[in-house]
Amino acid sequence: GAGVSQSPSNKVTEKGKDVELRCDPISGHTALYWYRQSLGQGLEFLIYFQGNSAPDKSGLPSDRFSAERTGGSVSTLTIQRTQQEDSAVYLCASSYDRGTTGELFFGEGSRLTVL
Amino acid sequence: KQEVTQIPAALSVPEGENLVLNCSFTDSAIYNLQWFRQDPGKGLTSLLLIQSSQREQTSGRLNASLDKSSGRSTLYIAASQPGDSATYLCAVPYNSGYALNFGKGTSLLVTP
Repeated sequence: GAGVSQSPSNKVTEKGKDVELRCDPISGHTALYWYRQSLGQGLEFLIYFQGNSAPDKSGLPSDRFSAERTGGSVSTLTIQRTQQEDSAVYLCASSYDRGTTGELFFGEGSRLTVL
Repeated sequence: KQEVTQIPAALSVPEGENLVLNCSFTDSAIYNLQWFRQDPGKGLTSLLLIQSSQREQTSGRLNASLDKSSGRSTLYIAASQPGDSATYLCAVPYNSGYALNFGKGTSLLVTP
């Protein structure tokens, strides 16, 4: 596709369950970002992947959160043992970074609701 | 830590007005600054990317300026239209890293 694709667009889960969110970046983009946007809050950086380098995980809020990027393309964000405070919109973005942050292109997001 | 502030938090203007949105940041050692638009329930759309060596960028009715030394950027929207109604966010990279630090945005409503 032409843009960043995220799935599912909506996910409702029960507290304690694990969830996986998927991001398919723009073809050729070397960098991939995950952000979280909670109601009334700004965008919170979670994790950054660049090529084959070790990811920048400095924004992950707890060890229940993890992410991987396979083959330098598709990424999966996994939240284990979900809590109600995990409810948010999870946004993925990709860019062609070369030396510094390039222009970011965002997906439509995955809205997670933890009951 | 880089702090990004956007003023005003909300703005309502009649159609046709020119308007200015403000963004300030605390660490002037930035590589670039980006302005985004977010419609309700949607992802972010990139509007303008200003490199640190540039003073401004223009796209259609939008003009963004950057003053690194004072830690400020402005987004100027000319001849506003109801379709411009959205939340506008600015973002700068964290220090020497790549991840963007976002302001909380300005919610703009343009009334017919």
